[in-house]
Amino acid sequence: GDSVTQTKGPVTLSEGTSLTVNCSYETKQYPTLFWYVQYPGEGPQLLFKVPKANEKGSNRGFEATYDKGTTSFHLQKASVQESDSAVYYCVLGGASGSWQLIFGSGTQLTVMP
Amino acid sequence: DTTVKQNPRYKLARVGKPVNLICSQTMNHDTMYWYQKKPNQAPKLLLFYYDKILNREADTFEKFQSSRPNNSFCSLYIGSAGLEYSAMYLCASSRGGAGQDTQYFGPGTRLLVL
Repeated sequence: GDSVTQTKGPVTLSEGTSLTVNCSYETKQYPTLFWYVQYPGEGPQLLFKVPKANEKGSNRGFEATYDKGTTSFHLQKASVQESDSAVYYCVLGGASGSWQLIFGSGTQLTVMP
Repeated sequence: DTTVKQNPRYKLARVGKPVNLICSQTMNHDTMYWYQKKPNQAPKLLLFYYDKILNREADTFEKFQSSRPNNSFCSLYIGSAGLEYSAMYLCASSRGGAGQDTQYFGPGTRLLVL
């Protein structure tokens, strides 16, 4: 079945260091890939989405490339800030004709000042 | 305004008692969803409405009910709460569906069943 596997947290970094959260997906269809972010006390919110293979999405310094060859969608940021502390979800949408979003288990990121 | 609101934010329920959770959105979205999230697990889709049509996941079909009296509101109803229903319940909405549209989430309702 369709699935998403991402870096298990928690991840703790110092401000100014680089971030990579690995994400791999399995599906037989052509999904849209998303990264959602959830801050304390709030629901998940869209960070960015990429509907087509070999394209890159980005927002607020975060970026990820939809790599159909390796079925990966790794999240990267060159220099994290304390305000980036949150849970990050890699999400698969539209797989196998389904209407649901398939979430990874989430990666808790804490950035220390 | 991309706000999805949920009430209440926290709910304490007794085993065997009913629970009703409310969600609202003012974006005129066609689709509204309910997810269940337990600690250290991914959010799990329970059901969704596309316009007035309710779609429930096979493994939660008998455990949860829902209604959508108008485009803006959607409820999640548990007829008899069990301990296993303790979780965060997230409501979301999207303009269309088919999993490719951005879903906008509310802050969630934390349900504790004792």
